[in-house]
Amino acid sequence: EIVLTQSPGALSLSPGEETTLSCRASQSVSSRYVAWYQQKAGQAPRLLIYGTSNRATGIPDRFSGSGSETDFTLTITRLEPEDFAVYYCQQFSSPPMYTFGQGTKLEIK
Amino acid sequence: QVQLQESGPGLVEPSGTLSLTCAVSDGSISSSNWWSWVRQPPGKGLEWIGQIYHNGRTDYNPSLKSRVTISIDKSKLQFSLKLTSVTAADTAVYYCVLNGAFSLASWGQGTLVTVSS
Repeated sequence: EIVLTQSPGALSLSPGEETTLSCRASQSVSSRYVAWYQQKAGQAPRLLIYGTSNRATGIPDRFSGSGSETDFTLTITRLEPEDFAVYYCQQFSSPPMYTFGQGTKLEIK
Repeated sequence: QVQLQESGPGLVEPSGTLSLTCAVSDGSISSSNWWSWVRQPPGKGLEWIGQIYHNGRTDYNPSLKSRVTISIDKSKLQFSLKLTSVTAADTAVYYCVLNGAFSLASWGQGTLVTVSS
C-alpha cells in the first residue's frame, strides 16, 4: 500500500501570503492519480486539484498543483481568509484503492 | 451539479450493522459513473471505504473488505453502504461521493454515525 506523508502538519500564515504544501509518496505514483482536497471545519472535503495539476470546476487560479513520481505540491498564492482550512492529498492505485495523506492544517496568523 | 444526501441511523450498537443510503439528485446514477463511500473519525483523517460502478461492480478497501457491502438501486436513484460487526472504531462521519478522474469529485454533506450501546 502506498503511504502519503504530508508536510508540514500545520502552519500559520497571514492573508496575502503564499504557501506550498508537500505530499510525499512511499513509492512512485502516476501524475494522473494525485488529487488535493480542502476541508473546512464542519464541512465535507472539496476537490481542488486532480491529475496533479488540473483545477476542479470553480476553483480559483490562486490554487495550483505540481509534482511527479513521489513528490507533489499544492501552492496557494495570495491567501484569502476563506483558504484557511485543512488540506489533504490523495492518490489512486491498482487494484482500485484511494489513500489520503494525514492532512496539513493551514491556520490564520 | 449532482447533489448527494446521506441518510441512516445516527446510532448503532456494537456488533451491529451500520446501514446508510445515499440519494442522488439526478439520473447520473445510471450513467458510467463510479460512486464511493469515505469516512472520517472525529478529529481524524479520511479513509476510503469502497466504490461501486453503475453496473454494480464493486471495489473495497482491503482493510474493511470482509465487513463491507456497497450496492446500487438505479430505480430509486440511490446507492447504499452496509458495514457489519461494528465497533467504536467505526464511529465516524460517513460521506457518499461521486468519483471524478481518479479523484473524488462531488461529496455529500456527511452523516455522523456513532457506535455505542
